[in-house]
Amino acid sequence: RKEVEQDPGPFNVPEGATVAFNCTYSNSASQSFFWYRQDCRKEPKLLMSVYSSGNEDGRFTAQLNRASQYISLLIRDSKLSDSATYLCVSGDNFNKFYFGSGTKLNVKP
Amino acid sequence: NAGVTQTPKFRVLKTGQSMTLLCAQDMNHEYMYWYRQDPGMGLRLIHYSVGEGTTAKGEVPDGYNVSRLKKQNFLLGLESAAPSQTSVYFCASNTFQPTQGIGTGELFFGEGSRLTVL
Repeated sequence: RKEVEQDPGPFNVPEGATVAFNCTYSNSASQSFFWYRQDCRKEPKLLMSVYSSGNEDGRFTAQLNRASQYISLLIRDSKLSDSATYLCVSGDNFNKFYFGSGTKLNVKP
Repeated sequence: NAGVTQTPKFRVLKTGQSMTLLCAQDMNHEYMYWYRQDPGMGLRLIHYSVGEGTTAKGEVPDGYNVSRLKKQNFLLGLESAAPSQTSVYFCASNTFQPTQGIGTGELFFGEGSRLTVL
């Protein structure tokens, strides 16, 4: 069983739409959670960390549900530039980070 | 600052050949990692290091060796390349500072090394 599971998509949405991604993690001892963005043939880059209390950064909102071992990312008012693959990550401590396979988002004009 | 630099960026090998990928970071990070990324598989951890002179196995260590002789460098070696090792390899370092217990845990990645084994 994979440590982190994500729906691979693709999610095809029009500009301005709201889109939500979810992922689940299997290790209840996981301590840190992140969303990374990866553009085609590029390296992943941190989008945002995910905290138990939830956190928001502009159009992006991340939520963590420890009881259900579930992480979400909400993107409001989608832009063409949001088209990318979004990677969900959990860490058991700072030694190891486990990546989901990624969810592909295509934002259409 | 260059951040995390990987060399080479592209390489084609024949089965059985050996090679070394070099990762260098100039951010004074203690923790460094090697991942491979294959289509539909996400990033999988090969080996990691929590400081100079230390290395540890990740999820998929077989067929690879690593060394961390200097804090800023983390080397990934393939002793006898196999077609199954065709992949994109990413090196990363972590902002976490274990002695101070501070840092966001953010991973900074190199641009990747695309390896093809024929």
